[in-house]
Amino acid sequence: EDKVVQSPLSLVVHEGDTVTLNCSYEVTNFRSLLWYKQEKKAPTFLFMLTSSGIEKKSGRLSSILDKKELFSILNITATQTGDSAIYLCAGTPFGNEKLTFGTGTRLTIIP
Amino acid sequence: GAVVSQHPSRVICKSGTSVKIECRSLDFQATTMFWYRQFPKQSLMLMATSNEGSKATYEQGVEKDKFLINHASLTLSTLTVTSAHPEDSSFYICSARLDGGAAGELFFGEGSRLTVL
Repeated sequence: EDKVVQSPLSLVVHEGDTVTLNCSYEVTNFRSLLWYKQEKKAPTFLFMLTSSGIEKKSGRLSSILDKKELFSILNITATQTGDSAIYLCAGTPFGNEKLTFGTGTRLTIIP
Repeated sequence: GAVVSQHPSRVICKSGTSVKIECRSLDFQATTMFWYRQFPKQSLMLMATSNEGSKATYEQGVEKDKFLINHASLTLSTLTVTSAHPEDSSFYICSARLDGGAAGELFFGEGSRLTVL
């Protein structure tokens, strides 16, 4: 059975700090690892990572995948209160669109 | 960007009744949609894959007769929770894959919180 584990489960930091969120996965016939931000309701797409070692960036957010270690990290620099959310990662295999989600990391940014 | 609308956002019903939740892709076609359930402090769990014009594919442990899925058009999938019981109370969320879009890039609805009394 496919499995995705995220750590830490929750994280509280001060505005301006840099955070690193972790995601390890066991997905049969793995294709991609996706990161989502879930604020109040619907998750919004952040990144899709397919190749190992290639960093993807979007503003203050960046993410990288290590397919040898079955691991991904999401970095957020100079955090702002608007970054407070649950961050979800999910693995997906070749052959279908099924996403296996981790339990998420609840990030709280204190002003 | 692509928008997925889910309705209702919140529903409260009595035990034994049936509840229908709609998931619409507003500005794109989606042959494939997915239904998830999320319990408090837990992850999104895939319930079923909904394919336009064919039967849904259910995940192990999900009762297909209890969670009826219909995907009658390229922009609408519905989930009906039949004979709902309190243990069915949860947050149900759908996602849609843009036809012709990047593999794995899904757009999520706002979710529907079901409370069964």
